[in-house]
Amino acid sequence: GAVVSQHPSWVICKSGTSVKIECRSLDFQATTMFWYRQFPKQSLMLMATSNEGSKATYEQGVEKDKFLINHASLTLSTLTVTSAHPEDSSFYICSARVRGQGKSGAKNIQYFGAGTRLSVL
Amino acid sequence: DQQVKQNSPSLSVQEGRISILNCDYTNSMFDYFLWYKKYPAEGPTFLISISSIKDKNEDGRFTVFLNKSAKHLSLHIVPSQPGDSAVYFCAASILTNKFYFGSGTKLNVKP
Repeated sequence: GAVVSQHPSWVICKSGTSVKIECRSLDFQATTMFWYRQFPKQSLMLMATSNEGSKATYEQGVEKDKFLINHASLTLSTLTVTSAHPEDSSFYICSARVRGQGKSGAKNIQYFGAGTRLSVL
Repeated sequence: DQQVKQNSPSLSVQEGRISILNCDYTNSMFDYFLWYKKYPAEGPTFLISISSIKDKNEDGRFTVFLNKSAKHLSLHIVPSQPGDSAVYFCAASILTNKFYFGSGTKLNVKP
């Protein structure tokens, strides 16, 4: 199946620094990638939708200047948490969408990376 | 406001028995639903889906049931195996665009 690699898996940083998280589709081209955030015991919350070669679409309440998303190629999207603060500590996970039908006729399946645990001190 | 809810954070089932994972949603416009399975240190992987035009979809040991009037979705695993132990997320979307996820149910299948 389609493989999505997310790096790093865990990062600890000081308050005020910026952190970049990479999301790569390894064996397919992803025209659309998604970035989610998950707080403990809560659901995955969509932060933004990233389309290759265009600006990301952010969900309501997500600061675009705080969470910079770049989707420069069909296999790579990056999320940069700028000037990170302790309240940005969370689990961030990306996914890449494959258009069309897949297994059992399923449509537009998203393939997920393993996620990044960000801890801001 | 959470539009997709999984009210049971965990479920424990004996090997060979049926596992039933439940999911409720609030938006009647949702027309496509999926279940994902997640092992520790891995990303969620797609398991099974169902369109709102159906009320049941089966794939091997996994069956998803949709009750539109009750806005309820369930995943049945029969028979359950220890390897099924994982966190299961349900997700819903409109026109397969943005997906809304539940908070997950941790299934433990005891040998």
